[in-house]
Amino acid sequence: AQSVTQLGSHVSVSEGALVLLRCNYSSSVPPYLFWYVQYPNQGLQLLLKYTSAATLVKGINGFEAEFKKSETSFHLTKPSAHMSDAAEYFCAVSDDRNTGTASKLTFGTGTRLQVTL
Amino acid sequence: NAGVTQTPKFQVLKTGQSMTLQCAQDMNHEYMSWYRQDPGMGLRLIHYSVGAGITDQGEVPNGYNVSRSTTEDFPLRLLSAAPSQTSVYFCASSYGPRRPYGYTFGSGTRLTVV
Repeated sequence: AQSVTQLGSHVSVSEGALVLLRCNYSSSVPPYLFWYVQYPNQGLQLLLKYTSAATLVKGINGFEAEFKKSETSFHLTKPSAHMSDAAEYFCAVSDDRNTGTASKLTFGTGTRLQVTL
Repeated sequence: NAGVTQTPKFQVLKTGQSMTLQCAQDMNHEYMSWYRQDPGMGLRLIHYSVGAGITDQGEVPNGYNVSRSTTEDFPLRLLSAAPSQTSVYFCASSYGPRRPYGYTFGSGTRLTVV
């Protein structure tokens, strides 16, 4: 069974600083990987996804993530934080990539990003 | 497109009451799922469906039932509400296996059981 570990339940950065949110996965098969963002009192919005051989994935709002098989990691980065990036971020892995079903997502426990002036 | 629509947005139940959380999508997605979100625990899968007439259990299915009679709708039924079911519930939908584009989420139902 697959699982996801997000290191750090809270991360605080200054506006303009680098954002780094960590995600490590465990999966017995090559996974699909996702990052979602949740703003207060809202649903989850897809930031980016890894579903192919391209290991560096670019998403919305200037975020990107790099799939590193040797480290089983899929860390989320943004070069310069903005106040509007304050939200909770979830990493997720889906199953059965080899069979192509990917019908279920397993989420990490989330990282709350705080951006200060 | 409306996307994924959940109703109601808020609900308060008494212990032992039953209710149905509604979920509808208009994107012709094959996959639909229900998650619950609790502080510090991320989102946990309750039930999911890979197509009309096909459902399966997720990580935390006890106390919940689902059915999928149409592609568009995937209601979640609480059989006898308990305080442990106080949570925020999210419905999500996705294309099928040949298009792993990720799930689209509804805006959630905040349920309190007293």
